[in-house]
Amino acid sequence: GAGVSQSPRYKVAKRGQDVALRCDPISGHVSLFWYQQALGQGPEFLTYFQNEAQLDKSGLPSDRFFAERPEGSVSTLKIQRTQQEDSAVYLCASSLALGAGQETQYFGPGTRLLVL
Amino acid sequence: KNQVEQSPQSLIILEGKNCTLQCNYTVSPFSNLRWYKQDTGRGPVSLTIMTFSENTKSNGRYTATLDADTKQSSLHITASQLSDSASYICVVSAASGTYKYIFGTGTRLKVLA
Repeated sequence: GAGVSQSPRYKVAKRGQDVALRCDPISGHVSLFWYQQALGQGPEFLTYFQNEAQLDKSGLPSDRFFAERPEGSVSTLKIQRTQQEDSAVYLCASSLALGAGQETQYFGPGTRLLVL
Repeated sequence: KNQVEQSPQSLIILEGKNCTLQCNYTVSPFSNLRWYKQDTGRGPVSLTIMTFSENTKSNGRYTATLDADTKQSSLHITASQLSDSASYICVVSAASGTYKYIFGTGTRLKVLA
């Protein structure tokens, strides 16, 4: 089925290395979210896009984190100069409608990042 | 203090038994509350979505209840199956206009044969 896909599924990075995580949302979905999920915890909001516009980036933990969605479909989350505390699962979700209404969010399988 | 708290943290039950998971929230104003199921190594999957005016919503063997006055929700699983083993996450969103969903830390359910 054409669900949300993420790549890579696993990424091991050396401390200080830059990484790029990709999200392919469901075709036609307007809203796209990135979350960070630490082991044994619930996902925490990072950023939100409505089409190509990044409307909320208040959850990004530092200026080393950068997200983009230049054409309103595929999104990339980039982490510069990775630190060990960046180790987590990064989840992408998309939804059809605008805003935080009753629309269902569809999640990808996540990218598990391990920073050594 | 988390704005969405879930209990218990973990739960083990035998196949065929029922169970109830709890969610208390302090998010205000409140727009809607969702329950998700997250299998190990997978992304969360939506089970139910309720607005403040809804008291209950069912999805197969899953029934969610909501008391907006006491800011409590529960997820009841009937006749549990081995495939119900997963984390169940309660998610609350504030009034419309915000894009932030606040996730609980989840209840890890294990169903044994």
